[in-house]
Amino acid sequence: KNEVEQSPQNLTAQEGEFITINCSYSVGISALHWLQQHPGGGIVSLFMLSSGKKKHGRLIATINIQEKHSSLHITASHPRDSAVYICAAFNNNDMRFGAGTRLTVKP
Amino acid sequence: GAGVSQSPSNKVTEKGKDVELRCDPISGHTALYWYRQSLGQGLEFLIYFQGNSAPDKSGLPSDRFSAERTGGSVSTLTIQRTQQEDSAVYLCASRLLASGGAFYEQYFGPGTRLTVT
Repeated sequence: KNEVEQSPQNLTAQEGEFITINCSYSVGISALHWLQQHPGGGIVSLFMLSSGKKKHGRLIATINIQEKHSSLHITASHPRDSAVYICAAFNNNDMRFGAGTRLTVKP
Repeated sequence: GAGVSQSPSNKVTEKGKDVELRCDPISGHTALYWYRQSLGQGLEFLIYFQGNSAPDKSGLPSDRFSAERTGGSVSTLTIQRTQQEDSAVYLCASRLLASGGAFYEQYFGPGTRLTVT
C-alpha cells in the first residue's frame, strides 16, 4: 500500500462543476502539500497546510489530522483547471508523493 | 522575482555516458530538493540539501547518482554511466527553511528532461 493515496486517479468534469480530490496518508506528517502539474510539466505549489482549511480563489484545501485525510476542492471549475493534482506528505524535509489525479474540465 | 531555474531543459545522451544537471534555486532559499518523474509515474524524492548540513541522500536510486551544492546555492546532479531507466524529468525545488513552526512552500523549477538512448 502506498504511503500517500489519492482518489480518483482520473476525473472528467463539465465546466462549472464542483471538484473534489481526496488524499489519504499513512505516514506522520509535518504538513501536507498540494501541487498542480500543468500539461507542459511545470509544477506549481497550491497549498501547504498542517491543520484546518486554506482558500485561494476558487481553490480550497482541508485537512483532518486525526483521520489522516486531506481534500482539494475546486469551485466553478474551468477548462484551464485541467492538470494533474498531486498530494505530498511532508515530514522533516522528506516528501512522499501521491500518484496524482488527472483532472480534465470540458467546456 | 526570479524563480528556480534548471539547465539544460532537455538532454539526450547515449547509454553509458555521464550527465550533469544544474539547478539555480531562488536566492535566499537554503533548502534545495531534487526529484525525478519517470514517464507516467509520480514524483520521486532523490536528495535534499539544508544549509551547510550533510545532504539527505536517502532517495538516490544507486551509487551512479550524486549531487553537490556549492556555496549553499547552485546544485548539480550527476548521473554516471547512464542507463535507459534513468530517462525521466529531473525537477529541482527550493524553499525557505521552516522556523518557529512555520512551513514554507517549495518552488519548483521547470525540470530537465533526460533521455538516454
